[in-house]
Amino acid sequence: AQSVTQLDSQVPVFEEAPVELRCNYSSSVSVYLFWYVQYPNQGLQLLLKYLSGSTLVKGINGFEAEFNKSQTSFHLRKPSVHISDTAEYFCAVNRWGGSNYKLTFGKGTLLTVNP
Amino acid sequence: GAGVSQSPSNKVTEKGKDVELRCDPISGHTALYWYRQRLGQGLEFLIYFQGNSAPDKSGLPSDRFSAERTGESVSTLTIQRTQQEDSAVYLCASSPLAGAGELFFGEGSRLTVL
Repeated sequence: AQSVTQLDSQVPVFEEAPVELRCNYSSSVSVYLFWYVQYPNQGLQLLLKYLSGSTLVKGINGFEAEFNKSQTSFHLRKPSVHISDTAEYFCAVNRWGGSNYKLTFGKGTLLTVNP
Repeated sequence: GAGVSQSPSNKVTEKGKDVELRCDPISGHTALYWYRQRLGQGLEFLIYFQGNSAPDKSGLPSDRFSAERTGESVSTLTIQRTQQEDSAVYLCASSPLAGAGELFFGEGSRLTVL
């Protein structure tokens, strides 16, 4: 079985500050990793994904994440946040092969960007 | 629009009543998922449909929950004899490719059981 732990339920930051949202996963096999964002009163949309290759993945809106296999982490970063980045962010994992369609999500991190 | 459409967006019901939630996936997407999002919790997998294959119902929390999908089109999630703990946002997503594919989510159906 696989699991995802998002270490911070809420992260308040000031506008233009850097931010890191932490995600750790547990799986006995190789995985695909995702970050989704949910803006207020909207559905989830994909920010970025790691399938294979380069461990540094760039996504939309200036976000990036780094896959670290030894630490089983996939932390999300942005060097300078905007008010419009206020949203809930979900990390998700999907294992390779077999019944690999079942995305397992973390509990989410609420990012609040203050002026 | 071309996105995943869910209805109703909000539903308030009394305990013990049945409810039906509907999802219209993106045309051409063979995979369809239902997730439940409770307040302060992550997304809980409920059920997965892939084409004409038998659905994976392993996430349904009880036999009061059921879902159907006609071919590669509309899906309905039915909750019978609703309980207060069923209150949640029910999210539908579709994907053109199971596994590594991106999931496209609807805006959800918020269910409140009084």
